[in-house]
Amino acid sequence: NAGVTQTPKFQVLKTGQSMTLQCAQDMNHNSMYWYRQDPGMGLRLIYYSASEGTTDKGEVPNGYNVSRLNKREFSLRLESAAPSQTSVYFCASRRSGILSYEQYFGPGTRLTVT
Amino acid sequence: GQQLNQSPQSMFIQEGEDVSMNCTSSSIFNTWLWYKQDPGEGPVLLIALYKAGELTSNGRLTAQFGITRKDSFLNISASIPSDVGIYFCAGQLNYGGSQGNLIFGKGTKLSVKP
Repeated sequence: NAGVTQTPKFQVLKTGQSMTLQCAQDMNHNSMYWYRQDPGMGLRLIYYSASEGTTDKGEVPNGYNVSRLNKREFSLRLESAAPSQTSVYFCASRRSGILSYEQYFGPGTRLTVT
Repeated sequence: GQQLNQSPQSMFIQEGEDVSMNCTSSSIFNTWLWYKQDPGEGPVLLIALYKAGELTSNGRLTAQFGITRKDSFLNISASIPSDVGIYFCAGQLNYGGSQGNLIFGKGTKLSVKP
């Protein structure tokens, strides 16, 4: 039981390049989330998927797209990377239901855009 | 958007000391969660609180859900070197399409006293 896994762990992109961050969970959770973490800013929600087949924007969605490929996998795509997207990206998952708001995080992807 | 004010921003600990930190908001929350993040890792859930006034312990950690539902406190007793890291509070607002989504504080960084 690996929990939440993310690939890659590190990535360097040039401005304008594209890439997809992968996330998978093996806890049979319904909801999945993508956050970015910047120094002094805490965790900010980019996109989330409440269930398979649905996705919604979070607080900072501009410049990103997501795909909920199936119940296990939720990917984040940067179509044209910008230096402002240099950050650490975390994926999280949560089982649905009343009194189950606990989110479980992956190890993160450290992205640098030059 | 909604904000959580987490304090202190940073603090130094000496082994054996007790540590306290808190989160406050102008909004009412249904759930409070406390996470710890080690360098280079994702946040790990420490304690979840679901009822106003609830006091919950996890080893040397004790957290409380404030009676007004606008704040939460985390205490660490008899700190040890491995307590060093960043502690985040997170609150869950229950309304509309954001049900289940968390709002994070900016973190309290615990370091060892030089």
